[in-house]
Amino acid sequence: AQKITQTQPGMFVQEKEAVTLDCTYDTSDPSYGLFWYKQPSSGEMIFLIYQGSYDQQNATEGRYSLNFQKARKSANLVISASQLGDSAMYFCAMREGATGEANSKLTFGKGITLSVRP
Amino acid sequence: KAGVTQTPRYLIKTRGQQVTLSCSPISGHRSVSWYQQTPGQGLQFLFEYFSETQRNKGNFPGRFSGRQFSNSRSEMNVSTLELGDSALYLCASSLGRVIYEQYFGPGTRLTVT
Repeated sequence: AQKITQTQPGMFVQEKEAVTLDCTYDTSDPSYGLFWYKQPSSGEMIFLIYQGSYDQQNATEGRYSLNFQKARKSANLVISASQLGDSAMYFCAMREGATGEANSKLTFGKGITLSVRP
Repeated sequence: KAGVTQTPRYLIKTRGQQVTLSCSPISGHRSVSWYQQTPGQGLQFLFEYFSETQRNKGNFPGRFSGRQFSNSRSEMNVSTLELGDSALYLCASSLGRVIYEQYFGPGTRLTVT
């Protein structure tokens, strides 16, 4: 079974509007972390935001926020006020195991292509 | 603070050859992980090194190996290259203990002909 599911086809958003990128995950581990990365055409993976499974509040980093719904096992990324530079591939990833344990392995979803229209 | 660096950025090799890729993590980071990205399989975890020891390993054949040096720099080696090894190889560094973030390098794009 897929551990990280990103099923949206290519997404389009108008500049300055908000957009939500969906991510659902599957794990039986009570301790895990969820990540979102941006990959522009240059190929580099850019870290955007992190949410721990025990975090009480949704993570926010500037224009990025993570809508974490633990019971539904979803971790959607919300980008507010989209910019042309936000056009890229976006990946959701999960690390299982509590922080501090010896495990840096990330399991990635297939990614979502976001295109921002001027 | 310098980011993660990977060398070389681009590489063309022939089937049957071997290749070594290098990754220098962010200063102070002790964990280095390697990932393979292909259009068909997406991003797949290869292995992780922490304090010169392999800590985790993905499901790749033994042709894929790595090591980490005392300065945390890591190398990845692929022997007997196959066409299917053509991919973007990404390395990521983190502090290694309390892992909130992993920072990736720009990647090495390997083409096997």
